[in-house]
Amino acid sequence: DAKTTQPTSMDCAEGRAANLPCNHSTISGNEYVYWYRQIHSQGPQYIIHGLKNNETNEMASLIITEDRKSSTLILPHATLRDTAVYYCIVRVRAGANNLFFGTGTRLTVIP
Amino acid sequence: GAVVSQHPSRVICKSGTSVKIECRSLDFQATTMFWYRQFPKQSLMLMATSNEGSKATYEQGVEKDKFLINHASLTLSTLTVTSAHPEDSSFYICSAQAENNYGYTFGSGTRLTVV
Repeated sequence: DAKTTQPTSMDCAEGRAANLPCNHSTISGNEYVYWYRQIHSQGPQYIIHGLKNNETNEMASLIITEDRKSSTLILPHATLRDTAVYYCIVRVRAGANNLFFGTGTRLTVIP
Repeated sequence: GAVVSQHPSRVICKSGTSVKIECRSLDFQATTMFWYRQFPKQSLMLMATSNEGSKATYEQGVEKDKFLINHASLTLSTLTVTSAHPEDSSFYICSAQAENNYGYTFGSGTRLTVV
């Protein structure tokens, strides 16, 4: 699975959009971009995933660049409960392989 | 959606004793389950992969005789920390992958403290 690079930490004002970047320059054609988040002392929570088209669900939007070498997770209206570590993971969709968790981005939503 | 239940959420045990952690898929069958360990301020590290009806595959550096994994059914995997020591204190998390499903669902984690 391709490696990812994320900023260590970010702050966001409550109510504003949080834009979390991820670089995955070595991504291959059959690898998807997954985003998970982990709130303190809880298990990771799935947020969204995509291949090459932008995706949106009730939690977030995922913007993938045309060359697929980077992506951005957007939380449109951040709340205090969105404070967590966000992990960007790249992997092929099929197969019973584990998810490799990098260091992630610690997002702090500020009142 | 798929739900994974992990118990206990928190356990304190004495050094030298064994602790069993259960991971159950509540509304789907999980052919594969993963066990992770997370130390404070660190990311999740995979310990082992368990497949229903077969032996678990352990990651390098993880002692299979110390961390016993049993995946006897499609809805239950257990991790037993044998002869626990203070350095085994950590946050243990399981995840499950449903058959014919490419998503991963995580348990809520177990905070183990060995005193």
